[in-house]
Amino acid sequence: EPEVTQTPSHQVTQMGQEVILRCVPISNHLYFYWYRQILGQKVEFLVSFYNNEISEKSEIFDDQFSVERPDGSNFTLKIRSTKLEDSAMYFCATSGSWLKETQYFGPGTRLLVL
Amino acid sequence: KNEVEQSPQNLTAQEGEFITINCSYSVGISALHWLQQHPGGGIVSLFMLSSGKKKHGRLIATINIQEKHSSLHITASHPRDSAVYICAVRSRETSGSRLTFGEGTQLTVNP
Repeated sequence: EPEVTQTPSHQVTQMGQEVILRCVPISNHLYFYWYRQILGQKVEFLVSFYNNEISEKSEIFDDQFSVERPDGSNFTLKIRSTKLEDSAMYFCATSGSWLKETQYFGPGTRLLVL
Repeated sequence: KNEVEQSPQNLTAQEGEFITINCSYSVGISALHWLQQHPGGGIVSLFMLSSGKKKHGRLIATINIQEKHSSLHITASHPRDSAVYICAVRSRETSGSRLTFGEGTQLTVNP
């Protein structure tokens, strides 16, 4: 069964450093999402992306965050200057249509900011 | 108040028991998802529904749109069903497809 993959699985970084989290969507999927889950808390929406632009973003997704699809396959989330409170599990999800299909989640990247 | 409330927060069952997890939401929705999160953190989508009932193996999901309530049932539970079960909704009140998540229900099935 096709699956969403994410790299790296774990990343440790120093506060203030830039990180890039990568996602490879299911091949015919066109809608992409990033979510995060702070340890012990519920999953939260960050951003959705379609046709090379952001469709929707949450209040969490401020100027420190950006997304892009640099090469037509990878979908990336960049955090420009990490803060301690960015420590979380970041999930990529993809779907084949905007509303009619389920979202398929990647295994997540666990980010720890020291 | 959370837009999505789940109950119970924690549930312990014996193998073979019938399990019900409930989800109530406060907004108009276009779809509701049930997700399973394994101890390692990975999330698997179980169901997406907007009306009625869906069944997959031992799992059954129902939704009552008028009452803004959904249930996830597991028949003949097994220790491998132990996981966090999460309800998430797509609101009709936004134009996008963002999901709003509940806190999750930690299910433990003992042999």
